[in-house]
Amino acid sequence: DTAVSQTPKYLVTQMGNDKSIKCEQNLGHDTMYWYKQDSKKFLKIMFSYNNKELIINETVPNRFSPKSPDKAHLNLHINSLELGDSAVYFCASSPGDHQPQHFGDGTRLSIL
Amino acid sequence: AQSVTQLGSHVSVSEGALVLLRCNYSSSVPPYLFWYVQYPNQGLQLLLKYTTGATLVKGINGFEAEFKKSETSFHLTKPSAHMSDAAEYFCAVTTGGGNKLTFGTGTQLKVEL
Repeated sequence: DTAVSQTPKYLVTQMGNDKSIKCEQNLGHDTMYWYKQDSKKFLKIMFSYNNKELIINETVPNRFSPKSPDKAHLNLHINSLELGDSAVYFCASSPGDHQPQHFGDGTRLSIL
Repeated sequence: AQSVTQLGSHVSVSEGALVLLRCNYSSSVPPYLFWYVQYPNQGLQLLLKYTTGATLVKGINGFEAEFKKSETSFHLTKPSAHMSDAAEYFCAVTTGGGNKLTFGTGTQLKVEL
């Protein structure tokens, strides 16, 4: 009974392709997030949704489009993939402000 | 704006020795502080958190951290390192609404025999 699950775990694709990463949480949390971890392990928030509403959008290129069909799911679609998009993408959820965030195991995206 | 600085990107200790990982934060309002641990090829796991109240916070796996407002610090300690503690450790801060977590650059802890 995984709390925050992401699929796929690994994604290898070519430049210019479009890909999606899915995230689901079974914790009943209202808020979900996407983070990007680069090759130097630096973690930066990309998006935050609260009960399907976009709360945080951190100057992420328009090629990245999050979608939240319900509060248990937050998917990330990426258009026209570029070499610089290679990273590990983490989904997380939390019950509310200032509460700890629970992270998925990440999706390792590699652009050839 | 909030920020976190972790001094030392790599820390190496002997098994059984004291672990000290440093974290300093910058925030114009009272911060909420967290330490997370990341094992290879895994997500982040919460070690401990400071919200309000007691400044000495105990977490999982024998770790603890002390919030020192005067020093704007939240250093992580463990009295006796174990081989299984080898991992990447992240300090993080959140302040205002939206629960935006700002992470430090991480410290890789190596434990040697």
